[in-house]
Amino acid sequence: DAKTTQPNSMESNEEEPVHLPCNHSTISGTDYIHWYRQLPSQGPEYVIHGLTSNVNNRMASLAIAEDRKSSTLILHRATLRDAAVYYCILARSSNTGKLIFGQGTTLQVKP
Amino acid sequence: NAGVTQTPKFQVLKTGQSMTLQCAQDMNHNSMYWYRQDPGMGLRLIYYSASEGTTDKGEVPNGYNVSRLNKREFSLRLESAAPSQTSVYFCASSEAARSYNEQFFGPGTRLTVL
Repeated sequence: DAKTTQPNSMESNEEEPVHLPCNHSTISGTDYIHWYRQLPSQGPEYVIHGLTSNVNNRMASLAIAEDRKSSTLILHRATLRDAAVYYCILARSSNTGKLIFGQGTTLQVKP
Repeated sequence: NAGVTQTPKFQVLKTGQSMTLQCAQDMNHNSMYWYRQDPGMGLRLIYYSASEGTTDKGEVPNGYNVSRLNKREFSLRLESAAPSQTSVYFCASSEAARSYNEQFFGPGTRLTVL
C-alpha cells in the first residue's frame, strides 16, 4: 500500500486558515486521496477526497499537486472544534475500500 | 438516523475470556469494516465485509473472527482475549467497497484485557 507522510503536529490560531500538507510520492494513477479527522475520544470523520482535481465541500478544500505526489487540506477558518488528528490516506482501487491509516497530524487551534 | 452504532461502549475482560462486539448501521450500506486503534496510533483494519455474505481479512486478523449477520449487522468476536487486544475498536460502513466511497464510523468500544 502506498505510504503518506504528514507532519506530526501543527498549530493554528482561531479564525485563520490552516494548510495541512501530505506527501504521497508513490501514489499510483488510480489511488484516491482521502482525508479523515478524529476528534478526541470519537471515531474518525470523513472530511474530503479527490483523485486529480481540486475539491471543495462545506468542511474544507483539497488541493492536489499537478503530479499528484502531494496534497494539502485547507480549512478556511479554523475553529476550536477543528482541533483533531487529521489523516491523509490513499485508497487503492484494488483494496476494495480498505483505508490504511498513518499516524496523522495533530492540529491544535489556539483561541 | 443513528448512523453506525456499537455495543458495548466499554468492556473489561480477563485473559482467556471471550466476547462479541456488535455493530449495526441504518444507512443501507453494503460494506462494513472493523478497525482497532492502539494508543497514539492510527487505525488498523481487522476484517471487512464488502457485501452481505462475504468477509475478508485486513491487516491484523489474528485472534478475531467476524460474522456478517445481515446487511445491517457485522459482529467481531474475540474467542480467547489476550492483553495485546486491549484497544479501542471502531466499526465503519460505506455504500460500497470502492476507493472513492467515504466510510462512516461508529463511536467505538474501549476494551481492556487484564
